[in-house]
Amino acid sequence: AQSVTQLDSHVSVSEGTPVLLRCNYSSSYSPSLFWYVQHPNKGLQLLLKYTSAATLVKGINGFEAEFKKSETSFHLTKPSAHMSDAAEYFCVVTGNTGKLIFGQGTTLQVKP
Amino acid sequence: DSGVTQTPKHLITATGQRVTLRCSPRSGDLSVYWYQQSLDQGLQFLIQYYNGEERAKGNILERFSAQQFPDLHSELNLSSLELGDSALYFCASSVGNIVSYNEQFFGPGTRLTVL
Repeated sequence: AQSVTQLDSHVSVSEGTPVLLRCNYSSSYSPSLFWYVQHPNKGLQLLLKYTSAATLVKGINGFEAEFKKSETSFHLTKPSAHMSDAAEYFCVVTGNTGKLIFGQGTTLQVKP
Repeated sequence: DSGVTQTPKHLITATGQRVTLRCSPRSGDLSVYWYQQSLDQGLQFLIQYYNGEERAKGNILERFSAQQFPDLHSELNLSSLELGDSALYFCASSVGNIVSYNEQFFGPGTRLTVL
């Protein structure tokens, strides 16, 4: 079975400082992992995905994530937060079930 | 704008009623997925259709059903509604049916309120 745990329900950073959103996964199979972002009153948008190629994955808007099998982690980072990054972020895993399994979400607050 | 459209945007109804949510996928996408987002359950996958056929099932209640029509639009039917069915229902679409490899594009959602 697959599962995903987002370690922080809420993260607050100042504009211009680094962002770290943490995600641990559990999977019996080689997982595919995704990060999605949801802005208020909007649908979800794919930020990046890992599908067993390079372990460091670059996404849109300056975000990247590193797949670490030994730590079963897929943390999302960005060097410098922008006000427009304030949103809900979801770490997602899929394995052999063909279904996306979402974490509970992390709300990112960016302070001016 | 993802290219996925959902109607209606908002729906308010009473317990015991039946509603239909509609989704039009992006042009060229053959897969349609339905998700439910609620405060207590988070985001949950309900069901996937690929080119008119059911492909995968998630935590979909027996009171809920879906179908994908020949023109590839999809409808999610919710019946015998309960207060706990109040949620945001998302539709997503993708070109192929392999979840691992095909990016899903999400619609803006339908907010269902059951009173």
